[in-house]
Amino acid sequence: GAVVSQHPSRVICKSGTSVKIECRSLDFQATTMFWYRQFPKQSLMLMATSNEGSKATYEQGVEKDKFLINHASLTLSTLTVTSAHPEDSSFYICSARRAGPTYEQYFGPGTRLTVT
Amino acid sequence: KNEVEQSPQNLTAQEGEFITINCSYSVGISALHWLQQHPGGGIVSLFMLSSGKKKHGRLIATINIQEKHSSLHITASHPRDSAVYICAAMPNFGNEKLTFGTGTRLTIIP
Repeated sequence: GAVVSQHPSRVICKSGTSVKIECRSLDFQATTMFWYRQFPKQSLMLMATSNEGSKATYEQGVEKDKFLINHASLTLSTLTVTSAHPEDSSFYICSARRAGPTYEQYFGPGTRLTVT
Repeated sequence: KNEVEQSPQNLTAQEGEFITINCSYSVGISALHWLQQHPGGGIVSLFMLSSGKKKHGRLIATINIQEKHSSLHITASHPRDSAVYICAAMPNFGNEKLTFGTGTRLTIIP
């Protein structure tokens, strides 16, 4: 099966610092990766879509300067939360679309960010 | 009204029972995902299907495109199946933005 990993699984940081979250497709190449955010007891909210080698497409209302996305290779995308604030505390989830015609998306396990 | 609706919202059952979770959608789709989210938050992709039926172990997913309805079944349910189950619709191939259902919280009692 297709496996997507995220690192770290949990992170606590202080206000004003930046945090990088990695999303890796372990056994397949992902032309497209998606970043989601989930608040408690709510559904996943798409933040941005990233394609390897090009700029990410952000959803309306998501600050691109605050949530920096880099999709440097076919197996790695990173989300950097810059100048983190307590309201950025959330569960961040990535998914990866396998290269090819199947359009299957595989989800990572998520990263819980707590900003103090 | 949400474009993707799930029922029931909460389901509690005894170990061993046959479980059915339903997902209805009002938009045209090309495929539908079923996801499992455990209490710790981690998400597991269970199925992606665009027609018919898929089976993996004790899990079975079916979809009827004409009726815009999908079901997830769990046979011989076990406490470890306790999780939130989420369906997510993909509008059409080429538009990969998923529309998520609100989730069904399943609790299996030993």
